[in-house]
Amino acid sequence: AQSVTQLGSHVSVSEGALVLLRCNYSSSVPPYLFWYVQYPNQGLQLLLKYTTGATLVKGINGFEAEFKKSETSFHLTKPSAHMSDAAEYFCAVSDTPGGGYNKLIFGAGTRLAVHP
Amino acid sequence: EPEVTQTPSHQVTQMGQEVILRCVPISNHLYFYWYRQILGQKVEFLVSFYNNEISEKSEIFDDQFSVERPDGSNFTLKIRSTKLEDSAMYFCASSDIIGPNQPQHFGDGTRLSIL
Repeated sequence: AQSVTQLGSHVSVSEGALVLLRCNYSSSVPPYLFWYVQYPNQGLQLLLKYTTGATLVKGINGFEAEFKKSETSFHLTKPSAHMSDAAEYFCAVSDTPGGGYNKLIFGAGTRLAVHP
Repeated sequence: EPEVTQTPSHQVTQMGQEVILRCVPISNHLYFYWYRQILGQKVEFLVSFYNNEISEKSEIFDDQFSVERPDGSNFTLKIRSTKLEDSAMYFCASSDIIGPNQPQHFGDGTRLSIL
């Protein structure tokens, strides 16, 4: 079965500092990986996805993530944090890559705090 | 940009009562999902739905739960006899045709509080 582990339930950075949110996955098949962001009292918004091809994927709001098969990782980064980045971030893996239904398996989430 | 809309945003219900959570998926999407997030816990898959039938369901989705697409736009989750442990945020999602290249789009959720 596929699973996702997010290291660090809380991450705090200064405004302008590098953001690094860690995600490791377990999958018996080539994974399809996603990062979602959840702002307070809102739903899950897709930040970026990896399916096939280029291993460095760029998403919205300046975020990017790199798929590293050898490390089974899909860490999310942003060079310079902004106050508006404060939110909860979820890494997810698709349970049925190539299939029609794509049940998502989520990590526990990382709450990002950005301080002045 | 098209959105998934969920109503109500907050539902308070007495234990043992039936509750229906409503979702309007993005209009050209064909795959529909329900997830839930108990406070402080992971987002968990409940059920997926395609072509007017359940494609897959989790262990959480027992006989107390049902889903329906009563018309061409709505997608509902019914909990027949609510329990305290059903208190959670419930998210509806939809996706386009087959393939993980079409990620799931989520609504803002319904917060269900069981008293």
